[in-house]
Amino acid sequence: GQNIDQPTEMTATEGAIVQINCTYQTSGFNGLFWYQQHAGEAPTFLSYNVLDGLEEKGRFSSFLSRSKGYSYLLLKELQMKDSASYLCAVKRGGGNKLTFGTGTQLKVEL
Amino acid sequence: DTAVSQTPKYLVTQMGNDKSIKCEQNLGHDTMYWYKQDSKKFLKIMFSYNNKELIINETVPNRFSPKSPDKAHLNLHINSLELGDSAVYFCASGPGLKETQYFGPGTRLLVL
Repeated sequence: GQNIDQPTEMTATEGAIVQINCTYQTSGFNGLFWYQQHAGEAPTFLSYNVLDGLEEKGRFSSFLSRSKGYSYLLLKELQMKDSASYLCAVKRGGGNKLTFGTGTQLKVEL
Repeated sequence: DTAVSQTPKYLVTQMGNDKSIKCEQNLGHDTMYWYKQDSKKFLKIMFSYNNKELIINETVPNRFSPKSPDKAHLNLHINSLELGDSAVYFCASGPGLKETQYFGPGTRLLVL
């Protein structure tokens, strides 16, 4: 089976940097995704890592360490609109099945 | 607009009824999915179809039956609705075995 852990809630200040961690235990690991979900809306794709290292995309970066079963999503220059739930999801094997964590609710304050 | 669309957006119904949710994607993707997101916001896959063929069928009661008339459509029919079926149901699609899945806007189902 798979176990995916993320903090339930985080609070950060506008303009700051926040790191959301995700740890997982799975066999046949084949990629890790981060999705953003605003309240009442659909999840939207943020990033994908399959190799170790950092992937940067604008204000958002995602890091993966396969040996440690660990990833983080880094959000820089936080804006109020970044208040949302951030979902970590792991792909296993050669298929398309994604298993999601329970999500981290990020609140950005003034 | 190119997107994943679902109908209806909201569905309120009585226990015991049968209802369907429709999903369409015009992204040219080969694979489509149904997810259920419960009140605790936990998103869990239910089904996946690839080119109209069922490839993922999680432990879902057989009251739930997906149907894919073509690779652009994946509908979900639910028989004998129960209170515990209340949730948001998301359809998603993806380009075959590539990485990203694109989600529809969700259908908010409330069973009374």
